[in-house]
Amino acid sequence: SQQGEEDPQALSIQEGENATMNCSYKTSINNLQWYRQNSGRGLVHLILIRSNEREKHSGRLRVTLDTSKKSSSLLITASRAADTASYFCATPSYTLQGAQKLVFGQGTRLTINP
Amino acid sequence: SQTIHQWPATLVQPVGSPLSLECTVEGTSNPNLYWYRQAAGRGLQLLFYSVGIGQISSEVPQNLSASRPQDRQFILSSKKLLLSDSGFYLCAWSAEAGGHNEQFFGPGTRLTVL
Repeated sequence: SQQGEEDPQALSIQEGENATMNCSYKTSINNLQWYRQNSGRGLVHLILIRSNEREKHSGRLRVTLDTSKKSSSLLITASRAADTASYFCATPSYTLQGAQKLVFGQGTRLTINP
Repeated sequence: SQTIHQWPATLVQPVGSPLSLECTVEGTSNPNLYWYRQAAGRGLQLLFYSVGIGQISSEVPQNLSASRPQDRQFILSSKKLLLSDSGFYLCAWSAEAGGHNEQFFGPGTRLTVL
């Protein structure tokens, strides 16, 4: 079942502007992760934020987590053309056998215009 | 350092033909392994996961099967491909680490069934 849902589905901005993507989820989690996917490539892990953290930074990335609203946001500051990609949030879930898995949202397709 | 390989990178197969996609991981032991399928412009759907040799769990009923003959080898197979099997197949691995399982993805295989 779908856990994370990103918003917006697509975002197009000018280079140098900030890009904000949002993710909502349904059940309690112990962490939330953001991934990036360049067209036709595999996903690359960007950042993990734990449920007891409200905000986390990594370079030009800033992630927030609001467990009361079951939502997270990814902010990319001073965007560059190379940031053009799809961005996915992922939340942990458990299989019937008790193994942990990640459930991915549908993604936000970000386009940075030069 | 750990690396994950997938091959082939692209594949065009006729309906009814067999399929074998291979994924191998280097630099880690006893990883959790995953097969995902991604339809064009969509999120990832978890197909299979494995927590050890010979241990395969399926997330969704389908025309595909998976096997794990060695600790760091994960194979996705089909005896007879359907048109609906077309998509982008991604292999990933993770290490169980206190419940915060970041996943590392391979480059993917684009499968077109004609």
